[in-house]
Amino acid sequence: DTAVSQTPKYLVTQMGNDKSIKCEQNLGHDTMYWYKQDSKKFLKIMFSYNNKELIINETVPNRFSPKSPDKAHLNLHINSLELGDSAVYFCASRLMGQGGSGDRYGYTFGSGTRLTVV
Amino acid sequence: AQSVTQLDSHVSVSEGTPVLLRCNYSSSYSPSLFWYVQHPNKGLQLLLKYTSAATLVKGINGFEAEFKKSETSFHLTKPSAHMSDAAEYFCVVSALNQAGTALIFGKGTTLSVSS
Repeated sequence: DTAVSQTPKYLVTQMGNDKSIKCEQNLGHDTMYWYKQDSKKFLKIMFSYNNKELIINETVPNRFSPKSPDKAHLNLHINSLELGDSAVYFCASRLMGQGGSGDRYGYTFGSGTRLTVV
Repeated sequence: AQSVTQLDSHVSVSEGTPVLLRCNYSSSYSPSLFWYVQHPNKGLQLLLKYTSAATLVKGINGFEAEFKKSETSFHLTKPSAHMSDAAEYFCVVSALNQAGTALIFGKGTTLSVSS
C-alpha cells in the first residue's frame, strides 16, 4: 500500500525512559513532518525535513531529536520522557517540488502514535 | 504570519439538516487552505483543499467550502448531515512559495449529529 506508516501505533512507557517513533513514506515525497496533537486535540508542527535537511525546527525541548536517514524516513527520538510528552504524534509528508510551491500536491498523514507516559 | 480561527469549538446538528463550520484565515501571501477531518481515535483525512483555482471547492462525502478573499473566510458546508459526519474538523492554512512551509491548524470544531 502507498502510504505514510508510523510505528508503533501505541506506546506506553515510564517517565525518564528514552523512546523512538518511526515514520516511513513510499509516496516519493521529498518533505516530511512531525506534528504533536495535545489532549485538547490541538495540532502543532514540531519539525520538518526536506531531502534529509532540517528546514523547520519549532520551539521544542531538545529532548526531542528528529533523524532523517533518507528522504523516505523521518524518525523521532525522545530522551528522558516526561508526563507532559503524552500526546498523539503524527507524521506527514508531501512533495514540495521545485521552488517550494508544493501545496497543490497535498499532504498525507500517518495514522498517529499515541504516546502515554506514566 | 499565517493563522486560522475556527469560530465555533462545538457545533450540534440533527441528522438531515445542513452543516456550517466557520473558519477565518490570516495570511500575508496567497494562501492554500484545507479542511481535515478526524474521527474518534483515528488519523487525519483530507476533506478538500483550495489552492488558488476555483473558489468553490468540492470535497469528499458531500462537503464543500467557498474561499472568500474579501471576508478572509473558508467556511465548510454540507447540505444534509449524516450520523457518520460526527467528528473533529480542522481548518488549516499553508502559504505558497515559501521554503519551510508547514500546515498551520485551527483549534478544531467538534461536530455532533443527533438522530
